[in-house]
Amino acid sequence: SQQGEEDPQALSIQEGENATMNCSYKTSINNLQWYRQNSGRGLVHLILIRSNEREKHSGRLRVTLDTSKKSSSLLITASRAADTASYFCATDALDYKLSFGAGTTVTVRA
Amino acid sequence: DAGITQSPRHKVTETGTPVTLRCHQTENHRYMYWYRQDPGHGLRLIHYSYGVKDTDKGEVSDGYSVSRSKTEDFLLTLESATSSQTSVYFCAISKQGGTDTEAFFGQGTRLTVV
Repeated sequence: SQQGEEDPQALSIQEGENATMNCSYKTSINNLQWYRQNSGRGLVHLILIRSNEREKHSGRLRVTLDTSKKSSSLLITASRAADTASYFCATDALDYKLSFGAGTTVTVRA
Repeated sequence: DAGITQSPRHKVTETGTPVTLRCHQTENHRYMYWYRQDPGHGLRLIHYSYGVKDTDKGEVSDGYSVSRSKTEDFLLTLESATSSQTSVYFCAISKQGGTDTEAFFGQGTRLTVV
């Protein structure tokens, strides 16, 4: 079974609203990453948060990490149509493997 | 964009035939990964490599083998293709293993087994 799982599976919001998605994982990690995938394309790295960090910002992205609950959240503020994509968290279970969950599909309506 | 190329981009093959997908990088990154992506499953790791001739299995490795004879090339072989291996395959590279550094992805190979 996969190390990480995103929730919800799908999310539909109005342009300008915030989008929040969560990732839960099973075992201890070194770091956690979030990626975006536009339809039919490869994944693109968004942000990396280390296991000793609790929160990180990058532009309109805010990521939190709670290692005690084995969970992370990704917040996209003031969403735009271009944010329509699937979002994946990636974890490593303290080894060299890079594991992804099933992703959250975000649709931003104009 | 990171220099990573997958070939072919699309392939249709018959059940029972061997198929090889190629991932080529120009970044000299040590780690290379092969994933398959299917609806409802996200990306699942097939095999990965942590150096020339150094490979290990992922979570869905049955029916697949890999080889890495040069830093820049990571080959994925379906020994005898089955319809369940119809999928989109992605290659990824990273400078360090796991989540220590960002991974860069290829554009994907859409494989159909008929």
